[in-house]
Order: sequence, then C-alpha cells, then structure tokens
Amino acid sequence: EAGVAQSPRYKIIEKRQSVAFWCNPISGHATLYWYQQILGQGPKLLIQFQNNGVVDDSQLPKDRFSAERLKGVDSTLKIQPAKLEDSAVYLCASSELAGFYNEQFFGPGTRLTVL
Amino acid sequence: DQQVKQNSPSLSVQEGRISILNCDYTNSMFDYFLWYKKYPAEGPTFLISISSIKDKNEDGRFTVFLNKSAKHLSLHIVPSQPGDSAVYFCAAIKWGQLTFGSGTQLTVLP
Repeated sequence: EAGVAQSPRYKIIEKRQSVAFWCNPISGHATLYWYQQILGQGPKLLIQFQNNGVVDDSQLPKDRFSAERLKGVDSTLKIQPAKLEDSAVYLCASSELAGFYNEQFFGPGTRLTVL
Repeated sequence: DQQVKQNSPSLSVQEGRISILNCDYTNSMFDYFLWYKKYPAEGPTFLISISSIKDKNEDGRFTVFLNKSAKHLSLHIVPSQPGDSAVYFCAAIKWGQLTFGSGTQLTVLP
C-alpha cells in the first residue's frame, strides 16, 4: 500500500514570495490534515479536511495561508506572501475517517526555508 | 498553551538497557494518548497508543503507562536497540485531533 506522498521535499524561497505544497493521501482515506512543524517543536495542526470540506482551520493563518482539497483526494497548501517565521517542515497526514480515534499516517514532509 | 509537554529534549541510553520517555498533559478530556517515532527526513510513524480508561498497554518491547491522577504518561523500551534512535513524540487525541508534545531525541549507544 502506497503511503502519503508530498512534493516538493525541499523548498527555499525569499520572504514575500509565494510557495505551494502538494499532498496525495493514502487511497480511500477520507480525512486529510496539514501540520506545521517548527524546529524543536511538535507538529501543529493547520487544517483538517473531511473529503473536500474543511472540518477545522482555526489555527490556519488565513491572511497568508490557504488550502484546498479538490475532489476529496489531493490537496495543496499555499503561503502567500511568506515570512521568515514560516520556515518549518509542512507535514501532510491522512486517516480513514475523522472521529474518536483514527490512526493518522504521515507523509515525509516538505522542508521550507524562507530567507 | 502547551497541553502536551515533553520536558526532556534528549535522552541517551546504552544498548540493551531500558529507555524511559516521559510526557505530561494538562487537559483531562483527552480520549487517547499516542507515541510517534520520527527518523530524520521522514514523517512521524505511529508506535503505540493507550486509551484514557486504561493504565497500561504493551506491544513487544514497547510499553506505555498512563497515570491519570498525575496527568503523566511514559513510554518504556526494553531492551533498547540502536535502531530505536529517533525523535519520539507524545500526542493526545480529543475530538479526533492530535496535539503533539515537542519531542525527545533518543540515542541508543552501541
């Protein structure tokens, strides 16, 4: 079974530029998550999708971050414009369903460096 | 507001000995607690979990203990192996959402 795929694996940009990350979840997984992991910290949930609808985006900085999940499968996360403090690893995860307890499977992440 | 805390950023243990990783939490409404393991340049992978109504769960070399009165859980690895060297994240679930601690880097010395 293929795991969660993410691209690119690494990205270096200058502040005020735009960047987009792509995620392909495990086939059949209805729920998709984007996390931000800053160096020395644990992953922090940015947004959760159930199929192609947003379940929770309360921690997404909506002035600069946006995310979509078209057709309930792949997802993209965009930052526009980037700030220095956006330097982090962006992790995508998926699970069969949301709810009480469903194991989340993580992709390898995209490491973003903002100069 | 850090609801899940791992106060030890790093831990070194000799191969064959026991590794004990600790985690504290503040929210008594968490339903499940999990441990994830992370190697460099990879995403976290699920290791073991425990329901909030249990006090112990064991899976091979890994055992998780939950002390609800102290709001504390720990992961025991016995015996520790060099391949166990990784960052270990404690996480808690409420309403299906994970809250992670900051991680502990475990180094198992040969």
